[in-house]
Amino acid sequence: AQSVTQLDSHVSVSEGTPVLLRCNYSSSYSPSLFWYVQHPNKGLQLLLKYTSAATLVKGINGFEAEFKKSETSFHLTKPSAHMSDAAEYFCVVRRAHTGANSKLTFGKGITLSVRP
Amino acid sequence: NAGVTQTPKFQVLKTGQSMTLQCAQDMNHEYMSWYRQDPGMGLRLIHYSVGAGITDQGEVPNGYNVSRSTTEDFPLRLLSAAPSQTSVYFCASSYSGATTEAFFGQGTRLTVV
Repeated sequence: AQSVTQLDSHVSVSEGTPVLLRCNYSSSYSPSLFWYVQHPNKGLQLLLKYTSAATLVKGINGFEAEFKKSETSFHLTKPSAHMSDAAEYFCVVRRAHTGANSKLTFGKGITLSVRP
Repeated sequence: NAGVTQTPKFQVLKTGQSMTLQCAQDMNHEYMSWYRQDPGMGLRLIHYSVGAGITDQGEVPNGYNVSRSTTEDFPLRLLSAAPSQTSVYFCASSYSGATTEAFFGQGTRLTVV
């Protein structure tokens, strides 16, 4: 079985300050991990992914995430928040299998607010 | 590239009515899936398919049917709509390998009254 925990449902930061969105996962197998962003009334867009290569992964729009196996974490960070970062963020785990066993499991999402 | 196309974008149904949400992808992906998104619940898997002719249930399949007659299309059918099915529905497609990301449609906002 696999699961994703996003403990914070809402994070608020000021523009120009760092962003930290936390994600912890549980997986019986070596997982692939993804962060998606959803802007209001839009579909989901891939920010970055971890697939057992480098543990520090860089994504679009200045975001990055670090895979820490010992902590079963994959936290998303950005050095300086921009107003356009306000959105909902989902951490997703995918089992390292093909076919029917490669289902995606989503966390419940974190709403990021950015104050001027 | 069109990517994943969902239709319609909005729909209002009366309780008991049936309808089909359409999903098409042009990336030759084997894996397609349907999710519903409800506030505070993330995305929950309804049904998925690993190829034409092969479908299986996800986490919340009750009240929904799917079929996959071609690689490109994966429609979701609501047989008898209920207010509990009011939600935003997303279709996604990907290659089957675990390291590949999923591509999502723009979503269908469904209201059942």
